[in-house]
Amino acid sequence: QLQLQESGPRLVKPSETLSLTCAVSDDSIRSTTYYWGWIRQPPGKGLEWIGSVYHSGSSYYKSSLKNRVTISLDTSKKQFSLSLTYVTAADTAVYYCARENHKFGDAFDIWGQGTLVTVSS
Amino acid sequence: DIQMTQAPSSLSASVGDRVTIICRASQAVSNSLAWYQQKPGKAPKLLLYEASRMESGVPSRFSGSGSGTDYTLTISSLQPEDFATYYCQQYYNMPRTFGQGTKVEIK
Repeated sequence: QLQLQESGPRLVKPSETLSLTCAVSDDSIRSTTYYWGWIRQPPGKGLEWIGSVYHSGSSYYKSSLKNRVTISLDTSKKQFSLSLTYVTAADTAVYYCARENHKFGDAFDIWGQGTLVTVSS
Repeated sequence: DIQMTQAPSSLSASVGDRVTIICRASQAVSNSLAWYQQKPGKAPKLLLYEASRMESGVPSRFSGSGSGTDYTLTISSLQPEDFATYYCQQYYNMPRTFGQGTKVEIK
């Protein structure tokens, strides 16, 4: 079954850029059936959608993060990436990558295990 | 943005109980609604999509219903492995939004 794996620095300094990559274990990243998204969860809190990228490369973002976030797709490397600039302590969270599946409406059917990113000097 | 509100935020129940969680959207989402289960330290797991369609492998004690703005997740007979936090999520439009979660605890 498809697996997603997040990677990137676990500690980021305030005002710097958080960068994460999600590796996709098969060729489904090239399919028009799926979108690819990032969701985060601050410690002890609920889930927050950050944004999603389509196979075409076009992307959608949460309004409050739009000025700081970029999600991109690299089908040749079978991965997609998250960049969040000018981070603060409020960006400390477990970051999940996930697949939106048109076969299930657009529900997130496959999730990565998540990676905790801490913003601290 | 569509706001998703779950009720209750937490509940205590016993094994064998019937449990119902409500999810209300700030506007109609046309059954474009999913339910997830999350256990501590784990990623969320998709239970239901299109409000009532069950993901493969999900026990039949889980069911979903609703329409328009109001949806419910029902666990017909709570099992020990069902103690977790449950989230609804709309994918009717962008931005995607989640409910705040309902924590199901052991009574």
